[in-house]
Amino acid sequence: GESVGLHLPTLSVQEGDNSIINCAYSNSASDYFIWYKQESGKGPQFIIDIRSNMDKRQGQRVTVLLNKTVKHLSLQIAATQPGDSAVYFCAENNGSNDYKLSFGAGTTVTVRA
Amino acid sequence: GAVVSQHPSWVICKSGTSVKIECRSLDFQATTMFWYRQFPKQSLMLMATSNEGSKATYEQGVEKDKFLINHASLTLSTLTVTSAHPEDSSFYICSARTGGVNIQYFGAGTRLSVL
Repeated sequence: GESVGLHLPTLSVQEGDNSIINCAYSNSASDYFIWYKQESGKGPQFIIDIRSNMDKRQGQRVTVLLNKTVKHLSLQIAATQPGDSAVYFCAENNGSNDYKLSFGAGTTVTVRA
Repeated sequence: GAVVSQHPSWVICKSGTSVKIECRSLDFQATTMFWYRQFPKQSLMLMATSNEGSKATYEQGVEKDKFLINHASLTLSTLTVTSAHPEDSSFYICSARTGGVNIQYFGAGTRLSVL
């Protein structure tokens, strides 16, 4: 079936380095994507979103890239900090009007001091 | 802005009892609220979509008589786990969105443990 998934389940990064988290999706009708950060025992926290009519969007220390040709989404975190350690989920809306999101499996990011 | 409050954060109950979880949007009117279930080290699984004043829409495989959802106002939705059993133990998370915006803002989650 169609799904949103991640290339790697875990990522270990040195503090201060840049992190890149990848996500693959298979639904070509998806027109909206979100990245969430979830810390242990907490609910997901919105990081950044992007619509399918864009290929790049920047926030504070984060950049989301969307490649619709290969159905690939990535989240780049600049100068990764210990507080960035968490599970990161990509989510997509399939273009329907019900506003439902489908979540990927999640990538666990661990920042090494 | 866009704060969603979920209560309680943690509940332990005996098998066969019912548990109610509240989800409130504190600073916006939530046109739609969603309820998710998350098992350890897994992703979020959508259980149901709740629109204010109408019946909830449940995802395939989710028992509507088991998981009662009420969305009585634009700022409050409740999930009641009826006749809870140990297999219902999980992390339940709600989210809310407002009109015209796709972003879902999440509550902090409720850890349910059924003995």
